[in-house]
Amino acid sequence: QSALTQPRSVSGSPGQSVTISCTGANSDVGSYDSVSWYQQHPGKAPKLIIYDVTKRPSGVPDRFSGSKSGNTASLTISGLQAEDETDYYCCSYAGNSNWVFGGGTKLTVL
Amino acid sequence: EVQLVESGGGLVQPGGSLKLSCAASGFTFSGYSIHWVRQASGKGLEWVGRMRSKANSYATAYAASVRGRFSISRDDSKNTAYLQMNSLKTEDTAVYYCTRFFDNGGQPFDNWGQGTLVTVSS
Repeated sequence: QSALTQPRSVSGSPGQSVTISCTGANSDVGSYDSVSWYQQHPGKAPKLIIYDVTKRPSGVPDRFSGSKSGNTASLTISGLQAEDETDYYCCSYAGNSNWVFGGGTKLTVL
Repeated sequence: EVQLVESGGGLVQPGGSLKLSCAASGFTFSGYSIHWVRQASGKGLEWVGRMRSKANSYATAYAASVRGRFSISRDDSKNTAYLQMNSLKTEDTAVYYCTRFFDNGGQPFDNWGQGTLVTVSS
């Protein structure tokens, strides 16, 4: 099972919006609405911020939103804040009881 | 408060074995699948495997990279899951996290432990 493809880095200015893509295959992202996104600060455990493509856990700001089209899922962060600068990972169910993560994207707030 | 605490990491030689533990508290452990995810230094997350709940026959699944070498078990009476790692390779060096997923659906990997470092080196 190959890792999902994410851009290595994205950047944006405070207040702007950025979108992080996550490209998989027909066998994972394209077949299941079990795409989730995780935020990970250096030295810390990942934190769930989006699940089931579009849902936000309690306590996650509505500046974070998710979507999916075909084999590509996306995370959009609007109204960028300095505290959003960190690493983001997508994850998808891949069938046959397997899960697959993306390679991660480093978000820089300019 | 939900807590997952990993332990058992350390330095091991190639070909050696190590057993990690994941102690849970603050939730009904028996109703959740426990997954293990690892992260090599400076690299991305990699799903390692999972064990489902008793209601789902304690079914296990593993990533191809560890299948046949790693095994997951659990003791619901102790609210603890384990990752037995055998025939370790240098490429298994990583921080190992345990995380949970309610077995009847819900939010995947909504809580994580702090991780435990496994270093495979001679």
